[in-house]
Amino acid sequence: KAGVTQTPRYLIKTRGQQVTLSCSPISGHRSVSWYQQTPGQGLQFLFEYFSETQRNKGNFPGRFSGRQFSNSRSEMNVSTLELGDSALYLCASSSSGRNYGYTFGSGTRLTVV
Amino acid sequence: GQQVMQIPQYQHVQEGEDFTTYCNSSTTLSNIQWYKQRPGGHPVFLIQLVKSGEVKKQKRLTFQFGEAKKNSSLHITATQTTDVGTYFCADSGSSGNTGKLIFGQGTTLQVKP
Repeated sequence: KAGVTQTPRYLIKTRGQQVTLSCSPISGHRSVSWYQQTPGQGLQFLFEYFSETQRNKGNFPGRFSGRQFSNSRSEMNVSTLELGDSALYLCASSSSGRNYGYTFGSGTRLTVV
Repeated sequence: GQQVMQIPQYQHVQEGEDFTTYCNSSTTLSNIQWYKQRPGGHPVFLIQLVKSGEVKKQKRLTFQFGEAKKNSSLHITATQTTDVGTYFCADSGSSGNTGKLIFGQGTTLQVKP
């Protein structure tokens, strides 16, 4: 059974640019969550989608957005990149949400220069 | 807002010694999940605790949920070099069934062979 796939693995962008990250969950998983991981702030929740609907959103500015497609694949977009957006962005999928643990992808390492 | 705190932040042990990390919440937890992240890797789900006073074991790992459901612990008996990594606890229930995990800052374990 394939795991959670995130693309690309590494990305270097310039301040002011925008970026789109992709996540393909485990087949059959309808819940997809996104997290930002930095050495200073740790793992912080960005948002969660279930059946194409955003069910919850973390405390991030509106520059961070996401969506989920009918096949459960998800994308997140960050516009007007700032240096502080440099982080590991992790996607996690679950069959229904909170009760069964989450499977994380390997992440996308974003560097903003 | 709700906070999940973990101590210690770092722990260095000699191979064969025991290790414990503690997780404390400012509010009552609904469920608690534990994850392990190897250096350069992504979080991997270990276990979920749901009931007050619950104790679960996975080989050398023992997980406990406090009676008041405001704290949890992970104890590793006779550490091995394969135990190296960062251990995170996460509140998985306070936001309802919406896929939001609130992570502690993690405890990084180093094991000297």
